[in-house]
Amino acid sequence: AQSVSQHNHHVILSEAASLELGCNYSYGGTVNLFWYVQYPGQHLQLLLKYFSGDPLVKGIKGFEAEFIKSKFSFNLRKPSVQWSDTAEYFCAVKDTDKLIFGTGTRLQVFP
Amino acid sequence: DGGITQSPKYLFRKEGQNVTLSCEQNLNHDAMYWYRQDPGQGLRLIYYSQIVNDFQKGDIAEGYSVSREKKESFPLTVTSAQKNPTAFYLCASSSPFLPGYTFGSGTRLTVV
Repeated sequence: AQSVSQHNHHVILSEAASLELGCNYSYGGTVNLFWYVQYPGQHLQLLLKYFSGDPLVKGIKGFEAEFIKSKFSFNLRKPSVQWSDTAEYFCAVKDTDKLIFGTGTRLQVFP
Repeated sequence: DGGITQSPKYLFRKEGQNVTLSCEQNLNHDAMYWYRQDPGQGLRLIYYSQIVNDFQKGDIAEGYSVSREKKESFPLTVTSAQKNPTAFYLCASSSPFLPGYTFGSGTRLTVV
């Protein structure tokens, strides 16, 4: 079965800093990959997804992720974070008929 | 508005009691899921159902039970056999025609 690793458990940044959150999945073949965000007190929301095609995927709120098949990775990036990006971020991979989530990365952005 | 409703938002129970968490969706989605969220452990799949009257165990099904008698509803029962039931429980649904899942706002269960 698929598994997902998120190596950054807690990231603290100042506003305007660049962000990269790591995500690795366990085995190849055709993969569907997702990043979700959970703002404090809110629902989990889909940030972006990769199914096929261009490996550089653009999502909402200025986020993007790059699918690198050779590295089994799907890292999330944002060139300049804002205080409002403070949230928990989850990477997920589709495994047959269900999503498998990583352990999450808590991002704190200070003004 | 279409969405997933989880109730209640907060639930307190005494140890040894069974408790049922509600999840209702009006999105006409076939598939529904229950996840448990614990700090530092992400979301772990408890049970899921692709169709009415059918469901499968996820990674941490022990101590939980579900039913799927209606397309709109997927209640989760946390039984007294669940060793560590205090957690945040998330329900989700999906459609084969749309990417990803739609999540409810969750139920925080505290067992004392």
